[in-house]
Amino acid sequence: SAVISQKPSRDICQRGTSLTIQCQVDSQVTMMFWYRQQPGQSLTLIATANQGSEATYESGFVIDKFPISRPNLTFSTLTVSNMSPEDSSIYLCSVTKSGRMNTEAFFGQGTRLTVV
Amino acid sequence: AQSVTQLGSHVSVSEGALVLLRCNYSSSVPPYLFWYVQYPNQGLQLLLKYTSAATLVKGINGFEAEFKKSETSFHLTKPSAHMSDAAEYFCAVSDYQGGKLIFGQGTELSVKP
Repeated sequence: SAVISQKPSRDICQRGTSLTIQCQVDSQVTMMFWYRQQPGQSLTLIATANQGSEATYESGFVIDKFPISRPNLTFSTLTVSNMSPEDSSIYLCSVTKSGRMNTEAFFGQGTRLTVV
Repeated sequence: AQSVTQLGSHVSVSEGALVLLRCNYSSSVPPYLFWYVQYPNQGLQLLLKYTSAATLVKGINGFEAEFKKSETSFHLTKPSAHMSDAAEYFCAVSDYQGGKLIFGQGTELSVKP
């Protein structure tokens, strides 16, 4: 399994500011992903965090708005830049580990962001 | 491209009744399919997964799902609902193990006493 720690767990931010969310895993993982869950909606993948290189963004998400870092195999950050109320969501970090058995995706508890 | 459709955003059952949550998928490659549960203010927990082995998959908390290729479905069932099953359930598809997940819209399950 993998234990994921996300910080902060929640925050209330002023529009126009930026927030950096941290994702720390207790062991080395193969893949790290960032998802967004808007109020009352499902999860949408923002990007795949690649170790030592630029993240791979999904359609509709850009690096200038959601810069991502992944300096090693256990840590990643997602920044939500120049926030507006539409950015109010839960942001979740997810990781997968390849092993002898089937691979499973694990999720952090999420960061609940409110932009006012 | 892959997609998932969950039929019914809200499902309500009585305690002890059958739970059936519907999921249909679209995939151009053999899919990996997952069901996750999300309790209020918590992250996602894996219930079960289909990874091209047995078509009937058993998961945690008494849940199971059957992969039906001809119907492109992966419905989640539980013979007898418990109050603690009340939560949001998400069906998801991936094109390979460990890959990114495409989620359905979610189904909120309510259990009445």
